[in-house]
Amino acid sequence: DQQVKQNSPSLSVQEGRISILNCDYTNSMFDYFLWYKKYPAEGPTFLISISSIKDKNEDGRFTVFLNKSAKHLSLHIVPSQPGDSAVYFCALYNQGGKLIFGQGTELSVKP
Amino acid sequence: EAGVAQSPRYKIIEKRQSVAFWCNPISGHATLYWYQQILGQGPKLLIQFQNNGVVDDSQLPKDRFSAERLKGVDSTLKIQPAKLEDSAVYLCASSSYDRGRSPLHFGNGTRLTVT
Repeated sequence: DQQVKQNSPSLSVQEGRISILNCDYTNSMFDYFLWYKKYPAEGPTFLISISSIKDKNEDGRFTVFLNKSAKHLSLHIVPSQPGDSAVYFCALYNQGGKLIFGQGTELSVKP
Repeated sequence: EAGVAQSPRYKIIEKRQSVAFWCNPISGHATLYWYQQILGQGPKLLIQFQNNGVVDDSQLPKDRFSAERLKGVDSTLKIQPAKLEDSAVYLCASSSYDRGRSPLHFGNGTRLTVT
């Protein structure tokens, strides 16, 4: 029973263009949403988050959008840089305080 | 601030052997987590501690996995006996809030290979 899904295992984008990573969830009781970035042989690093009372949060080149009616979360990276190449995980807090991760999307930014 | 420390970085064992992982969280972080990440999947929570008490261990295979956090600081996760399907990266994380929605800070993990 996968409550959090990242349907694209991989994404390739040209440097300078926009990267859009998507995440869908099934339970409307999730109340806080995060994105993590993971380089090989390292642990996940927190990137950006959004509360369920908002629909957008921006931090430099990174913007997270939340569409509660569609149960959809997305991360936009503009402009994409080669150093952004990594695996990106969405992670959602349920009301019990448990953080549940998606399967990850591997982003490759080509120079 | 110093990050979450984990050791060892890599471990190779044969099935039915035992193994232990160690974690030292960020200083002052009351909450500590152990996650299992199988290749191609997202991290899955095994156990969550608040100080030295267990908050959630619903997904910990208790017949073979055990974890403790004595004195509310360092933690160890043990597998005995190991199975092939235990091959994964074991991630430790910590956070400063017990019921908040703060981001978790992860260590670099221990990659376990069971042959």
